[in-house]
Amino acid sequence: VQLVESGGGVVQPGRSLRLSCSGSGFIFTNYAMHWVRQAPGKGLEWVASLWYDGSNIEYADSVKDRFTISRDNSKNTLFLQMKRLRGDDTALYFCAKGLGAVAASLDSWGQGTPVTVSS
Amino acid sequence: DIVMTQSPLSLPVTPGEAASISCNSSQNLLHTNGETHLDWLLQRPGKSPQLLIYLGSKRASGVPDRFSGTGARTDFTLKISRVEAEDVGVYYCMQVLHAPYTFGQGTRLEIE
Repeated sequence: VQLVESGGGVVQPGRSLRLSCSGSGFIFTNYAMHWVRQAPGKGLEWVASLWYDGSNIEYADSVKDRFTISRDNSKNTLFLQMKRLRGDDTALYFCAKGLGAVAASLDSWGQGTPVTVSS
Repeated sequence: DIVMTQSPLSLPVTPGEAASISCNSSQNLLHTNGETHLDWLLQRPGKSPQLLIYLGSKRASGVPDRFSGTGARTDFTLKISRVEAEDVGVYYCMQVLHAPYTFGQGTRLEIE
């Protein structure tokens, strides 16, 4: 299993950014997928998830109405569209694979892509 | 939201000794399917987190049997029977019962 995130960078407050996560080594379409973030020097914060078929989308309250999770199973890719970014969105963003089609146990993680929100 | 509380937050351990981390949830984590939706993860320094224990007591693939998870309802424990140097890092409990899924604050295990 390999998960590779991309799309992170430095962005001004209020702007947008789109993260991608490419999955390989497993049947991507069979598994739930999640985004988890970690602010510098802090603990883990679950951000968003969706089931194997793109249904049952859930968000943390801190990102609801600003972030959108989606997936393209034909391209084995998970996305996180982030809008109206704030300073407290600064973090390392991990994508993680669920243990099953609808599972929230996270059995594989990418290396993370850093997002810095700063003027 | 379900609040997860870990203790201790720092855990110095001598190699070969046993170690124990506690996790308390603000709600019962027993699913209607009979499974307890509580996981344990380890984040080694500079690395991504890895799953150690899922559904309360099931060891993830490749995890040594010196790691074990116990507990029920709202009180859970991760035990390491004989700590090794490679066990250094931050341990998190995570409830996977209801979104938003939530983590404990983390317990930093260090070798004395």
